[in-house]
Amino acid sequence: GENVEQHPSTLSVQEGDSAVIKCTYSDSASNYFPWYKQELGKRPQLIIDIRSNVGEKKDQRIAVTLNKTAKHFSLHITETQPEDSAVYFCAAVKGSYIPTFGRGTSLIVHP
Amino acid sequence: GAVVSQHPSRVICKSGTSVKIECRSLDFQATTMFWYRQFPKQSLMLMATSNEGSKATYEQGVEKDKFLINHASLTLSTLTVTSAHPEDSSFYICSLGADTQYFGPGTRLTVL
Repeated sequence: GENVEQHPSTLSVQEGDSAVIKCTYSDSASNYFPWYKQELGKRPQLIIDIRSNVGEKKDQRIAVTLNKTAKHFSLHITETQPEDSAVYFCAAVKGSYIPTFGRGTSLIVHP
Repeated sequence: GAVVSQHPSRVICKSGTSVKIECRSLDFQATTMFWYRQFPKQSLMLMATSNEGSKATYEQGVEKDKFLINHASLTLSTLTVTSAHPEDSSFYICSLGADTQYFGPGTRLTVL
């Protein structure tokens, strides 16, 4: 089955800095890669996603890149703010199969 | 996206009792829903796939007689933790969707 590795497990940055979270996947047939943000005690929510026919996607301060050859994708957050502090999960999805989640990255943005 | 609710949001029960958690899709008919368990500072662990009108599919290591799942309609799936013990204390979340998942708000279960 699919295996998703996510790094780092914890990321601490100063407000205004950039943050990068990286994920790798094992199944080359995976074709959809969503990122979820989970604030403490709340539900995970989709923040950005990318499909395998696209190499990069951007939404304001958030961007995701995908390298299909290397089977890795990354989340980039620029100009970080304290409200970006949360746990971020990547996932890989193949067709209509159940998503495989990474282990999560706890992002801490210090004011 | 789909709107998903869960009830209750938190429950405290005594060891040995059973607890039922409801997951409702408010605006989407879902033939499939998913149940996850999440320990503090850990990832989402898929427990089972709930299938409307048929038996749930459980992940390896999840006891089907311990975690009973019923998906009686296209908008409701329930998870019953039977004979709960302190080690069952956790955050339980449901979700639905095709590729993008829409999660419920979660249920914090504490077993004393």
